[in-house]
Amino acid sequence: QTVVTQEESFSVSPGGTVTLTCGLTSGSVSTNHYPSWYQQTPGQTPRTLIHSTYVLSSGVPDRFSGSILGNKAALTITGAQAIDESHYYCVLYMSSGIWVFGGGTKVTVL
Amino acid sequence: QVHLVESGGGVVQPGGSLKLSCVPSGFTVTDYGVHWVRQAPGKGLEWVTFIRNSGESAPYPDSVSGRFIVARDISRNTIYLRMNSLRPEDSAVYYCVKEGNYYMDVWGKGTTVTVSS
Repeated sequence: QTVVTQEESFSVSPGGTVTLTCGLTSGSVSTNHYPSWYQQTPGQTPRTLIHSTYVLSSGVPDRFSGSILGNKAALTITGAQAIDESHYYCVLYMSSGIWVFGGGTKVTVL
Repeated sequence: QVHLVESGGGVVQPGGSLKLSCVPSGFTVTDYGVHWVRQAPGKGLEWVTFIRNSGESAPYPDSVSGRFIVARDISRNTIYLRMNSLRPEDSAVYYCVKEGNYYMDVWGKGTTVTVSS
């Protein structure tokens, strides 16, 4: 079964920019996978950040953005803040009709 | 305002069964589909299943195929997840989530399932 890949962790300075990626062990990610991104802090319910590659969910600050970079989906945080320290998960919709989450990326802001 | 409330979690022995419920408010199950997503302790998110507003379910991932079944009761506006032949690795918080357009939109707070002898 295809695996969705994400970096294990990233560190970013306050005010800095970080780009997380979401790839496939086989093939390239495209808009047809409807990439979406979710933020989860420990003990909390996941929060939907971005869907359909680059559409921000309601209430999500515009320092978050989504894109396709090369053969992967990407989530960029521009001007990172301490409150952005979280786990970030991507999920892809597969042609087989299932959704597959990546393993998640832990972002530290320091 | 949209909310989803899960219930039915608990402790069950390996090989046992459990049925989770998800009651949405702010929408009906004939208008929107609902996903189930789980998260094992200290682990990442795992998509479990999706039932469309038509009542048709998506294919199940290998990890639960043949053991889990999603269903709905329109009269109760409720989604169910029937889990059979439970294994310790099924222990997780189970979230039900209102569908967006090929994504997960609004999340419930989850219900905890523990499979242990």
